Amino acid sequence: KQEVTQIPAALSVPEGENLVLNCSFTDSAIYNLQWFRQDPGKGLTSLLLIQSSQREQTSGRLNASLDKSSGRSTLYIAASQPGDSATYLCAVSSNTGKLIFGQGTTLQVKP
Amino acid sequence: NAGVMQNPRHLVRRRGQEARLRCSPMKGHSHVYWYRQLPEEGLKFMVYLQKENIIDESGMPKERFSAEFPKEGPSILRIQQVVRGDSAAYFCASSHGLAGRTDTQYFGPGTRLTVL
Repeated sequence: KQEVTQIPAALSVPEGENLVLNCSFTDSAIYNLQWFRQDPGKGLTSLLLIQSSQREQTSGRLNASLDKSSGRSTLYIAASQPGDSATYLCAVSSNTGKLIFGQGTTLQVKP
Repeated sequence: NAGVMQNPRHLVRRRGQEARLRCSPMKGHSHVYWYRQLPEEGLKFMVYLQKENIIDESGMPKERFSAEFPKEGPSILRIQQVVRGDSAAYFCASSHGLAGRTDTQYFGPGTRLTVL
């Protein structure tokens, strides 16, 4: 059974700092991995999707990497801003397309 | 291009009543997924539907819950005889399905169900 774990559960950093969020999964037979952002009381916004054949994806200040063999992904946020404060969710896609989510990392960027 | 739409955004029901949650996928999308987020818990998959077909319902509770995605109209998640433990945020996601299982899923804003 696939399990997704995110560490740390919460993170507080000063504005401008670079940071890394971690995601690990137990079954390497995934189709893709997505990183999402969720603001309090809101829906999910897709940030990056990495196909199983890819190693990384970049969008603006965000960079996500994938190492299938070790069951790990990282989300790197450069030059963090207060507007980046949110919960970041990692999810892997199973063979039926359903997403299996981690518990999330709640990020607070202090001005 | 409108995103995934869900309604109502907030729904209050008394124990024993029925809850009907609606999801309109993005234009051109024929795949719909329902997820539930219980308080202080992560998102859990419930069901995956394509037009008129249930593909994977492995996350659906065995009783009281049902889902459909008819040929015309939105996808409906129906909860009969609601109990307090059904209080949660219910999210719908859609994908176009052309790339199969590797498609990006786009999420709606969710329906927050409160059972009194």
